[in-house]
Amino acid sequence: DQQVKQNSPSLSVQEGRISILNCDYTNSMFDYFLWYKKYPAEGPTFLISISSIKDKNEDGRFTVFLNKSAKHLSLHIVPSQPGDSAVYFCAASSSGSARQLTFGSGTQLTVLP
Amino acid sequence: SQTIHQWPATLVQPVGSPLSLECTVEGTSNPNLYWYRQAAGRGLQLLFYSVGIGQISSEVPQNLSASRPQDRQFILSSKKLLLSDSGFYLCAWSFQGFQPQHFGDGTRLSIL
Repeated sequence: DQQVKQNSPSLSVQEGRISILNCDYTNSMFDYFLWYKKYPAEGPTFLISISSIKDKNEDGRFTVFLNKSAKHLSLHIVPSQPGDSAVYFCAASSSGSARQLTFGSGTQLTVLP
Repeated sequence: SQTIHQWPATLVQPVGSPLSLECTVEGTSNPNLYWYRQAAGRGLQLLFYSVGIGQISSEVPQNLSASRPQDRQFILSSKKLLLSDSGFYLCAWSFQGFQPQHFGDGTRLSIL
């Protein structure tokens, strides 16, 4: 049972435009959400996070939106750059001593020059 | 600042052979440590996590085991590898009780 779902395996966007990556979750106990970016043959790099007490968090070109009622979060990248081309994973965790992360299957973003 | 080291970067092993992957963290004490596996085209699956020396929790039953002999050292092992153990293995750390987790560069394991 996938508790975190990224239904779009790939997304192509023109450079300078907005990239919107989506993620849905089913576990209502999740209270913290993260986005990671991954290049081939490298480990994921933390990008941005949001607590369930917020509905928006912004960091430079990256903004994460959380809709708790819909159990949906999204990552907006504006403007998109070719260097943003990577696989993006969303992840979720619930309170607990180890704060395990549950990951989605990832979305390959390609930003076209 | 904190750094995480994971080795080797790639490994090719025959079926039935043993495995030992090592991960170390520098620049912090008493971190939470994690082992993940990413199968081809899939997300990251948590295999083991540890909140302290000698404390290991397993998330999925499998052919693998983990150990934490020192505060900042996390080892993933197997006595006999299976073909299904192929994948990309990632070690991660976090501060106790806090996110985010920070990942190493991974080990690409191929079983022949």
